[in-house]
Amino acid sequence: GESVGLHLPTLSVQEGDNSIINCAYSNSASDYFIWYKQESGKGPQFIIDIRSNMDKRQGQRVTVLLNKTVKHLSLQIAATQPGDSAVYFCAEIEYNFNKFYFGSGTKLNVKP
Amino acid sequence: NAGVTQTPKFRILKIGQSMTLQCTQDMNHNYMYWYRQDPGMGLKLIYYSVGAGITDKGEVPNGYNVSRSTTEDFPLRLELAAPSQTSVYFCASRDRDSNQPQHFGDGTRLSIL
Repeated sequence: GESVGLHLPTLSVQEGDNSIINCAYSNSASDYFIWYKQESGKGPQFIIDIRSNMDKRQGQRVTVLLNKTVKHLSLQIAATQPGDSAVYFCAEIEYNFNKFYFGSGTKLNVKP
Repeated sequence: NAGVTQTPKFRILKIGQSMTLQCTQDMNHNYMYWYRQDPGMGLKLIYYSVGAGITDKGEVPNGYNVSRSTTEDFPLRLELAAPSQTSVYFCASRDRDSNQPQHFGDGTRLSIL
């Protein structure tokens, strides 16, 4: 889940297992939701997005689920690999108003 | 395409000094953004621009200035550096005409001592 403060929540998984990272959002008017991956010393990298009129979207090894009733977003990574180790954070967007809100992130640690 | 390029990657400033963080993009994106990222926190919007000659304040603009004289460049200026401005700064851009996500640079790590 998301957290405010110096210490990010950490999810440790074994290589090959599936990972689920969660995010709670706050703005009911958000049109889009995006998951980003941020490796150490790098900028955020787009992983997958989902429109507010959808509840599930799949990419390569990743799936995003959106539950608007409880304002919850999740990222599922299948067969997690060491290269997936990074901080993952969600963003909620109102494109018409050019508004972007970013979560603080969850650190994924993949053990070989 | 290089995407979004930020320079410098690292910088140490003394309190009261000034500097400009450079950002350039080669994707012909209209929209550009400056964020700061403090440890364990989400990105906070400092300033953004919807096109050359147009800039707007974001969530945390105090202590910063920007300009947008060309589509490609969006420099961020710190006039009187303060310890509270120690952070990692990210520039981003996106295409105005589609609901596309922002493309981010690799950041500038700035320390004010």
